[in-house]
Amino acid sequence: DAGVTQSPTHLIKTRGQQVTLRCSPKSGHDTVSWYQQALGQGPQFIFQYYEEEERQRGNFPDRFSGHQFPNYSSELNVNALLLGDSALYLCASSLVFPRGKWDTEAFFGQGTRLTVV
Amino acid sequence: QQQVKQSPQSLIVQKGGISIINCAYENTAFDYFPWYQQFPGKGPALLIAIRPDVSEKKEGRFTISFNKSAKQFSLHIMDSQPGDSATYFCAASRTGSARQLTFGSGTQLTVLP
Repeated sequence: DAGVTQSPTHLIKTRGQQVTLRCSPKSGHDTVSWYQQALGQGPQFIFQYYEEEERQRGNFPDRFSGHQFPNYSSELNVNALLLGDSALYLCASSLVFPRGKWDTEAFFGQGTRLTVV
Repeated sequence: QQQVKQSPQSLIVQKGGISIINCAYENTAFDYFPWYQQFPGKGPALLIAIRPDVSEKKEGRFTISFNKSAKQFSLHIMDSQPGDSATYFCAASRTGSARQLTFGSGTQLTVLP
């Protein structure tokens, strides 16, 4: 059973460019959450996707957007990259069934290390 | 009100000793408190989790102690081993959030051989 997989593993972009990161959730999971982890810090919640819609969002600007596909995989897009966007981007998947009653554990991928130069 | 405060920032323990990491939260809506272990270059891995209806949960060498009135919880690692050297994060979430986690700032644990 494959866990959460993310691609690419590492990425270097230039300030002002746009980037797309990808995530495939653990088999059987339907909810994907994205986190940003700056060096030496705890992960910060960016947003969460369920049923192909953004359900919850953390304190991140609109430059951060996402998408969820019918197969539950997800993309994180960041526009107009800033040096401060350099971080490890983590994807976590979970299953909510039935919605609001109980949640499964969240499993994380290995992350995508984004460096903005 | 969403913050989770974690201490200490770093911890050095001798092999066989007890490692203790503490966290405090503010949001009383939180009802699920996991601890994650993260090795360099890897994503966080769930170690152990507790709900506020119990005051303690033990899994092997790892124990969570929970104090609901004080809004504090802690991780105890008994018989610490060099392989336990990693960064540990406490986190919190509430039911219905589909595991939207609020993380502490992390504790870098080093276990000396």
